[in-house]
Amino acid sequence: TQLLEQSPQFLSIQEGENLTVYCNSSSVFSSLQWYRQEPGEGPVLLVTVVTGGEVKKLKRLTFQFGDARKDSSLHITAAQPGDTGLYLCAGGSTLGRLYFGRGTQLTVWP
Amino acid sequence: GAGVSQSPSNKVTEKGKDVELRCDPISGHTALYWYRQSLGQGLEFLIYFQGNSAPDKSGLPSDRFSAERTGGSVSTLTIQRTQQEDSAVYLCASSPGTALREQYFGPGTRLTVT
Repeated sequence: TQLLEQSPQFLSIQEGENLTVYCNSSSVFSSLQWYRQEPGEGPVLLVTVVTGGEVKKLKRLTFQFGDARKDSSLHITAAQPGDTGLYLCAGGSTLGRLYFGRGTQLTVWP
Repeated sequence: GAGVSQSPSNKVTEKGKDVELRCDPISGHTALYWYRQSLGQGLEFLIYFQGNSAPDKSGLPSDRFSAERTGGSVSTLTIQRTQQEDSAVYLCASSPGTALREQYFGPGTRLTVT
């Protein structure tokens, strides 16, 4: 059983399009993180959100934490080929380890 | 400063042999994680060390897998009697141990069992 469900699993779009990736759970998390992984490398942390309803922007990427702190979304505006990669969400509590979703594989075609 | 390093970067071994994978975390990070990732898949949690607490071994797939962390720093993941299904990329991550649990990953070790 996966604690964090990500959708869609695969996303293939043209350069310039917008997209949203979702991360959902039935559990409450004290923080939620998004990572991006490129081929042959380890995941790299993009952002951490900690407050229900929080919205963070990182250039063309907008991250939102749900009010109940059970879900999150990542929105990319005007996607570019450099955005291609595996996007992973991860939820943590004050005790214990971090839990990762299975990831969304994004491909942006020029 | 230096990031997380892992060695070797690639390892090819014959079925039935034992292998050791090494992880050097970021200095001062109290938490260390091992994950396994098959081609195109997400991260499969293996084991988690936090300070001097007993490790969370709940993700280890079988008793052929073990890991230790010496002196609260370097960690070694050992796979005994390797099987072809053990072929994957093994990733290590360290974390400063704050409540946010933010992780910093190494580049991984690609293990191929022939």
